[in-house]
Amino acid sequence: DVKVTQSSRYLVKRTGEKVFLECVQDMDHENMFWYRQDPGLGLRLIYFSYDVKMKEKGDIPEGYSVSREKKERFSLILESASTNQTSMYLCASTTGTAKIEQYFGPGTRLTVT
Amino acid sequence: AQTVTQSQPEMSVQEAETVTLSCTYDTSESNYYLFWYKQPPSRQMILVIRQEAYKQQNATENRFSVNFQKAAKSFSLKISDSQLGDTAMYFCAFAIPQGAQKLVFGQGTRLTINP
Repeated sequence: DVKVTQSSRYLVKRTGEKVFLECVQDMDHENMFWYRQDPGLGLRLIYFSYDVKMKEKGDIPEGYSVSREKKERFSLILESASTNQTSMYLCASTTGTAKIEQYFGPGTRLTVT
Repeated sequence: AQTVTQSQPEMSVQEAETVTLSCTYDTSESNYYLFWYKQPPSRQMILVIRQEAYKQQNATENRFSVNFQKAAKSFSLKISDSQLGDTAMYFCAFAIPQGAQKLVFGQGTRLTINP
């Protein structure tokens, strides 16, 4: 079975802190994604990566950056956390083949105080 | 740009009943995929069912089936004989098969199955 793991289930940070959210997949998937999930808004794409060291902005990249140094690991970075970044963050991966199905991690609920 | 709309924020039914969740989408693409994902409370998001736009036949997976109306750009999910374990957030999503295959999600419907 595909496994996508995220470094923390719950995280509390202070305004202005630098925050790292890590995601690891074990199925050699090409594409990886970071979403944020907010009530009434569904999931919105922050950034995605289709290869090592390659990244593209999604729909809401402001205030975030990403890093993909190895194929299995995709990190989301909040350079200076703000209270409006309090949210659930979901990582996903997919093979990039015609199957398309994305496999999701368990999510990290981040609270910025 | 593609958009996906789920107009039912919450639904509640009794166990064993049939429930239908609605989804509409907008796109100018001719080749695309539609999905229903399930997110149980405090658990991981999983794929429930997938529909390829070029297939006329509606997809089914056990108790889950879809009503895909391409001309109307409608993609509803029917859950038959609902069970307590069906309680979850359900998201409708859209993707095109080219490129990075980004998913575009609807707002979600919170479904509660009552005993």
